[in-house]
Amino acid sequence: KAGVTQTPRYLIKTRGQQVTLSCSPISGHRSVSWYQQTPGQGLQFLFEYFSETQRNKGNFPGRFSGRQFSNSRSEMNVSTLELGDSALYLCASSPGLGTGNTIYFGEGSWLTVV
Amino acid sequence: KQEVTQIPAALSVPEGENLVLNCSFTDSAIYNLQWFRQDPGKGLTSLLLIQSSQREQTSGRLNASLDKSSGRSTLYIAASQPGDSATYLCAVRRGGSNYKLTFGKGTLLTVNP
Repeated sequence: KAGVTQTPRYLIKTRGQQVTLSCSPISGHRSVSWYQQTPGQGLQFLFEYFSETQRNKGNFPGRFSGRQFSNSRSEMNVSTLELGDSALYLCASSPGLGTGNTIYFGEGSWLTVV
Repeated sequence: KQEVTQIPAALSVPEGENLVLNCSFTDSAIYNLQWFRQDPGKGLTSLLLIQSSQREQTSGRLNASLDKSSGRSTLYIAASQPGDSATYLCAVRRGGSNYKLTFGKGTLLTVNP
């Protein structure tokens, strides 16, 4: 069974640009969540999607957005990039929303903003 | 607001030693607690999941305990090996309508041959 797949793995963007990251969950998983990881702040929750609807959102500005498609694949978008957006963005999937099941993470997308 | 603290931030031990990593959380209204491992430059690998009604979970050389009332969890690693070197993170999932995970900042473990 394939794991959580994130693309691209590495990317470099310039301040002011926008970026879209993609996540394909484990087959059969319907919940996808996104996290930002930085050395200073650690892992912080961005948002969670289930059945194409955003169910929870973390404390990030509106420049951070996401969506989920009918096949459970998800994308997140960051507009007007700032230097502080440089981070590892991790996607995770689980079978359902708020279940007691294990959550599985992808390898992440490394974003560098210059 | 839930806060998760992991102590120590870094730990270096000789191979073969048994060790304990600590995780504490401020809000005991949790749904479950999960321990993860992260290797440098990689994503997170789930190690153990403990439901709020459980006291402990075991997998191989790993044993995780949960004391919800005191807001503490420990991850016990028996007979440590150099391959156990990684950052270990704990995360709590709260109950209610908000299911997000709140992570600690991790413990960087180095096992020396």
